Amino acid sequence: EPEVTQTPSHQVTQMGQEVILRCVPISNHLYFYWYRQILGQKVEFLVSFYNNEISEKSEIFDDQFSVERPDGSNFTLKIRSTKLEDSAMYFCASSVLPKNIQYFGAGTRLSVL
Amino acid sequence: KQEVTQIPAALSVPEGENLVLNCSFTDSAIYNLQWFRQDPGKGLTSLLLIQSSQREQTSGRLNASLDKSSGRSTLYIAASQPGDSATYLCAVTTYSGGGADGLTFGKGTHLIIQP
Repeated sequence: EPEVTQTPSHQVTQMGQEVILRCVPISNHLYFYWYRQILGQKVEFLVSFYNNEISEKSEIFDDQFSVERPDGSNFTLKIRSTKLEDSAMYFCASSVLPKNIQYFGAGTRLSVL
Repeated sequence: KQEVTQIPAALSVPEGENLVLNCSFTDSAIYNLQWFRQDPGKGLTSLLLIQSSQREQTSGRLNASLDKSSGRSTLYIAASQPGDSATYLCAVTTYSGGGADGLTFGKGTHLIIQP
């Protein structure tokens, strides 16, 4: 069964460093998403992406964040200068209309020290 | 702003019982509602999706209902098993016309099924 793949599973970085989280969405899906879940809190929407541009973003997705689809298969989330409060689990998801069921990857745990 | 609330926050029942998890949302203008399962330290597994025009969806021992006008959904689990132990999340999306709408999640119900 097709699945969303995320790498790495765990990323440790120093505060102020740039990180890139990678995702391979399901191959025939057209809509891509990033979410985060701070430990013990709700899953929060960050951004959605369609047709090579951002479709929707939340107030969390500020100038420190960017997304890119560098080729036909990868979808990345970049955090330019990490802060301690960026420590969270980051989930990638993908979907296709009409049902628009969002399928999630296993997540990348980001630890900012 | 859409808010999703799930009750109860935690539930522990003996194996074999039927149970109901509740979800409510403040803005009834939703496109669809999804129920997910999350195991500790793992990703989210989609269980059921209900379109706004539907009243319920069934998959195996799971049945989800939707009352859009009152802003409520329930997830019914029949004949619960220890393997059903997980956190169950409810999430809604609002159709903005763009298609790629983000999900708004509740905090989840942490379910423990005692053998």
